Amino acid sequence: NAGVMQNPRHLVRRRGQEARLRCSPMKGHSHVYWYRQLPEEGLKFMVYLQKENIIDESGMPKERFSAEFPKEGPSILRIQQVVRGDSAAYFCASSPPVDSVYGEQFFGPGTRLTVL
Amino acid sequence: ILNVEQSPQSLHVQEGDSTNFTCSFPSSNFYALHWYRWETAKSPEALFVMTLNGDEKKKGRISATLNTKEGYSYLYIKGSQPEDSATYLCARTGNQFYFGTGTSLTVIP
Repeated sequence: NAGVMQNPRHLVRRRGQEARLRCSPMKGHSHVYWYRQLPEEGLKFMVYLQKENIIDESGMPKERFSAEFPKEGPSILRIQQVVRGDSAAYFCASSPPVDSVYGEQFFGPGTRLTVL
Repeated sequence: ILNVEQSPQSLHVQEGDSTNFTCSFPSSNFYALHWYRWETAKSPEALFVMTLNGDEKKKGRISATLNTKEGYSYLYIKGSQPEDSATYLCARTGNQFYFGTGTSLTVIP
């Protein structure tokens, strides 16, 4: 059973470009979470999604950031018009369909975004 | 305490020493406390999930306790080994996951 997959592992963008980060959850997991780790900081919750639904996006910046988890395919975190402050490691985690608040989350290897 | 706080920020111990660190969190609207181990260049891996006041969990030489009334959890490592070197994260779930910034442990052979 493959773990949580994220791609790309490293992404370089120039200011103003768009960044698309992909996350494929573990097989059988229908809950996906996105986190951001800024340099010298801990993991910050961004958004919690189930298939075709955003459950909690209270950690997402109000502008330029969006996330989706379609019925088919990976979850996508999209950052429009990137700025240097978006440079960070973005981690995705998934959990099984029950007790998402209590159950463990399985993390992907992260995507390191660098904005030039 | 509004955020999840972990102390110390970093720790160096000799191989064979036992050690412990602390996770402090808001006790209101509490659902669960999670501990994760995060090795460099890898993904965080779950160690424990605790929900009830007084919970104690153990996995090998690592154990954890939970006090939800006062809002803290301790992680203990008995007889530290070099392979225990990692960052240990705690996370509190209420309405969402709140992670601490971690305790970085280095075990010196």
